Formats: sequence, structure tokens, C-alpha cells
Amino acid sequence: GQQVMQIPQYQHVQEGEDFTTYCNSSTTLSNIQWYKQRPGGHPVFLIQLVKSGEVKKQKRLTFQFGEAKKNSSLHITATQTTDVGTYFCAERSNTGKLIFGQGTTLQVKP
Amino acid sequence: NAGVMQNPRHLVRRRGQEARLRCSPMKGHSHVYWYRQLPEEGLKFMVYLQKENIIDESGMPKERFSAEFPKEGPSILRIQQVVRGDSAAYFCASSPQIGRTSGANVLTFGAGSRLTVL
Repeated sequence: GQQVMQIPQYQHVQEGEDFTTYCNSSTTLSNIQWYKQRPGGHPVFLIQLVKSGEVKKQKRLTFQFGEAKKNSSLHITATQTTDVGTYFCAERSNTGKLIFGQGTTLQVKP
Repeated sequence: NAGVMQNPRHLVRRRGQEARLRCSPMKGHSHVYWYRQLPEEGLKFMVYLQKENIIDESGMPKERFSAEFPKEGPSILRIQQVVRGDSAAYFCASSPQIGRTSGANVLTFGAGSRLTVL
């Protein structure tokens, strides 16, 4: 069945360092979404990518969708302690449900 | 414009009891999704519903779990005869519709219901 693989599972960085999480799918994706979940919180929508090769930026966050629409990445420049949390990618299935990757948990040391 | 409302936020049950979790979607949203999250794990899809219809229940355990989204009132996830392994956070999310338009399938999550089975 449909599945998105997300790596790494965990990442510890020093504040100010960069961070990247990757999502890969065995099938072509119609779109991909990214969500962030703070510790003890609930997932919050960040962005949706639809077009092949699309790049979107939100301040220090850069989201990319692969040319073949089978992979995506989220890059954070100069991490801050407020970036702590788990970042999930998600793909839409044929029935409309969202299937989430396993998530990458980011820890930032001040 | 209230977001997705879930209650109770915390629920404690003894083994064998029933747990009923409620979810009111955002105003204007007609699609509801339930996800389960175990500690330190990801979001596992359970069920996707529209008003009075189950669209996809491929993630629901075959026994003890059921979900509904009646014409009136909130969506309810029901767990009968709970076991310790049911202890988890259960998140509800809603969306306005599905389709090709941007934002149509973006999920808004509630704060979750955390079930503890003793």
C-alpha cells in the first residue's frame, strides 16, 4: 500500500545549525503536506506542495518537492529552540485520507 | 471560529470498560479523520468519515473499535472493552472537502484525547 518513508527518525542539533528531514515514496505523489507537532501538542499544518520541483519558503523553512514527485524535504536554516518538535510529511491516498510518515523529531540544544 | 473540538481531553478507564471520544469539526468542515498516536510514535490513520458515511476504515482494528459521524452532533470514536494497549492519544482532524483545489485536503487537528487504561 501507499507509504511514505521519512528520515531521520531523530536529529539533535546545536542551536544555529541547520536541519533537514526527507520524505520518500515508492509511488508518484499528487501532493505532499508537512505538519509540525510540538511536544505534548497536536499536529499543525505547515505547507502543501503540488507541482513537480516546487520550492516554497516560510522564513527559515524551505520545502521542496522532487522533480519526479516521489520525494520531498524540509530544511530549517539556523535552528532555534522554538523549532523543537516532530515534523511529519503526509501524502493523500486514493480515498482522500492522509497517510503520515513516521516523523522526524528535532531536538535543539541551546 | 472555533477549531476542532475534542473531548474529553483526558480519559482514564479500567480494563474492560468503554471509552467514547467525541470530535466536533471546524465550522464548515464536513470530513472527519481519526488518528491514533502511541508515545514516541507517529500518527496512525484509523478512519475517515463524512456525515453519516464511513469513507475509509482501513486503519480501524477489526474488533472493539467503531466510529460514527451522525447527521447531527459530533463524530464519536468508541472503544469497547478497553485493554492497556489502547492507551494512546487519539487525534481528530477535519477538512472542508477533498478535491483538486489547494487547501481542500488540509487537515486541522484537535488537541487530542489522551486515553489511559489502567
